[in-house]
Amino acid sequence: AQSVTQPDIHITVSEGASLELRCNYSYGATPYLFWYVQSPGQGLQLLLKYFSGDTLVQGIKGFEAEFKRSQSSFNLRKPSVHWSDAAEYFCAVGSTYTDKLIFGTGTRLQVFP
Amino acid sequence: GAVVSQHPSRVICKSGTSVKIECRSLDFQATTMFWYRQFPKQSLMLMATSNEGSKATYEQGVEKDKFLINHASLTLSTLTVTSAHPEDSSFYICSAPRSGGALDEQFFGPGTRLTVL
Repeated sequence: AQSVTQPDIHITVSEGASLELRCNYSYGATPYLFWYVQSPGQGLQLLLKYFSGDTLVQGIKGFEAEFKRSQSSFNLRKPSVHWSDAAEYFCAVGSTYTDKLIFGTGTRLQVFP
Repeated sequence: GAVVSQHPSRVICKSGTSVKIECRSLDFQATTMFWYRQFPKQSLMLMATSNEGSKATYEQGVEKDKFLINHASLTLSTLTVTSAHPEDSSFYICSAPRSGGALDEQFFGPGTRLTVL
């Protein structure tokens, strides 16, 4: 069965520091992987997705993620965090067989000035 | 990007009453919409897939008679929590792809906070 693990519940970084949010998945075939961000009072917004091809994926707002099959990971990164990046981040895995998304439990990012 | 709205944003009701939550795609037509439930500090759990003009597909363990879903038009899906009880208190979120299914970019509503007293 598909599953997604986000090991970090809460991360705090200083503005301008680099960021890496971890995501591990369990899926038998090549997964469809997503990162969504949920800001307070707003709906989830897609940051980036990976289906195939280049394992380093560029997204919106300066985010990128790297698919590592050997580690079953799809970690999200940003070289320099802005205060506006404070939000909840969700990793998700999808399957063409079920046409459903399985979400991780989320990582709350707090940014200090 | 596309916009999906939900109404109401929060609702408080007494135990035993029914509550209707609306999900609208404001600038695109959505043949499919998804309903999720989010518990505090937990992930979004898919409840059902709403299909315009046909019956919704419910996930295992979701009570069809308690969570009634109607997708009457290409821009509106409704979730009715019937005979609500305190354990139904949760954050309900809908989403819709502009085209395709769950693996396409989803546009999410801002969610509805339901509190059942």
